[in-house]
Amino acid sequence: EAQVTQNPRYLITVTGKKLTVTCSQNMNHEYMSWYRQDPGLGLRQIYYSMNVEVTDKGDVPEGYKVSRKEKRNFPLILESPSPNQTSLYFCASSVAGTGAVFRHEQFFGPGTRLTVL
Amino acid sequence: GDSVTQMEGPVTLSEEAFLTINCTYTATGYPSLFWYVQYPGEGLQLLLKATKADDKGSNKGFEATYRKETTSFHLEKGSVQVSDSAVYFCALSDRSYNTDKLIFGTGTRLQVFP
Repeated sequence: EAQVTQNPRYLITVTGKKLTVTCSQNMNHEYMSWYRQDPGLGLRQIYYSMNVEVTDKGDVPEGYKVSRKEKRNFPLILESPSPNQTSLYFCASSVAGTGAVFRHEQFFGPGTRLTVL
Repeated sequence: GDSVTQMEGPVTLSEEAFLTINCTYTATGYPSLFWYVQYPGEGLQLLLKATKADDKGSNKGFEATYRKETTSFHLEKGSVQVSDSAVYFCALSDRSYNTDKLIFGTGTRLQVFP
């Protein structure tokens, strides 16, 4: 089954304790992205990756890191979490569009609800 | 910058009622437009899409028409069901970006009662 998986689904942690949220897709997609969802703000992009070893900042990258060492995996790293990073996080993947080519459907993971105390 | 504006929710309807969720956008380029749906406890799923002016996207009884003159992409369904209760997100992808970035609206919660 084609899917995007995230782990953990729920996480409660304390300020400053490093954590990693994993994301994996089995569709051989080039493009992967992380979003956070907050009430009244919709989804905002944190980081994205166009392919292996190619990553770039989205709209709200502060306090986050990512890596793309393998095509299927795109972990999100919070080196020193703070309470303002309490949010619902989504990983997404798609076939990469180029130039004026229609942007393809993005497939989303089930989400990771993070609480930072 | 580009943006998407959706009507505030929640929208509360009885089963078989007509649904409209308004969505307008601002974009410097010529975007593709999407509606995504988020069922409780799940990730987002693509509901429908449109890539050029006057295109109509449709799926599961939902429809939306890309209106360039009014920069709108309103979601409609003629007869909602309880199972349609979810959060609906309007989004755009601007081809002028050299990425696959989606810009989302804030989401509209739909609650359908029997």
